[in-house]
Amino acid sequence: AQSVTQPDIHITVSEGASLELRCNYSYGATPYLFWYVQSPGQGLQLLLKYFSGDTLVQGIKGFEAEFKRSQSSFNLRKPSVHWSDAAEYFCAVKARDFQKLVFGTGTRLLVSP
Amino acid sequence: GAVVSQHPSWVICKSGTSVKIECRSLDFQATTMFWYRQFPKQSLMLMATSNEGSKATYEQGVEKDKFLINHASLTLSTLTVTSAHPEDSSFYICSAQTSIHTGELFFGEGSRLTVL
Repeated sequence: AQSVTQPDIHITVSEGASLELRCNYSYGATPYLFWYVQSPGQGLQLLLKYFSGDTLVQGIKGFEAEFKRSQSSFNLRKPSVHWSDAAEYFCAVKARDFQKLVFGTGTRLLVSP
Repeated sequence: GAVVSQHPSWVICKSGTSVKIECRSLDFQATTMFWYRQFPKQSLMLMATSNEGSKATYEQGVEKDKFLINHASLTLSTLTVTSAHPEDSSFYICSAQTSIHTGELFFGEGSRLTVL
């Protein structure tokens, strides 16, 4: 069955430290891949997406993600976290021939001073 | 990027009443819109897929008679929670697809429903 896994429910990072949020998927073929961020009580903002081509994708707010086909992963990274990055992060996957966007369970990022 | 607007952003209603939430694509035509439900501290659960001019396709376990979805135009989809009960209290988010080729979705700001 198709699925998206974010193994980390919570992550705490010190401000200025680097960040990596994990995302693994299980699909028959390479799907479209997305990372969204959600602040409390807000909608979702698209950070970045991968459709094809260069496997290292640059997004907004200094985020990047790398698609690794062999590992079925699309991990999100940021070299230096800011306090304003504290939020919920969702990895999402969409099959290329299918309409549904499936979300992972989310990772809550906490940023410590 | 494309803008999707939801209204109202929050609503409180009495048990037994119906509530309508609107989702509009402001600067593009959306042939397909999606409605999600999000419980506190949980992920988004797809409720239904709404295609303009046709009946919505509901996910398994979602009551189509309780959650009425209408997609009458290329820029507007509505979700009506009928005979609302406290357990329907949730955060509802819509999204619209800009292109069937890219698969990218843009999301509304969400609507928080509280049923007393």
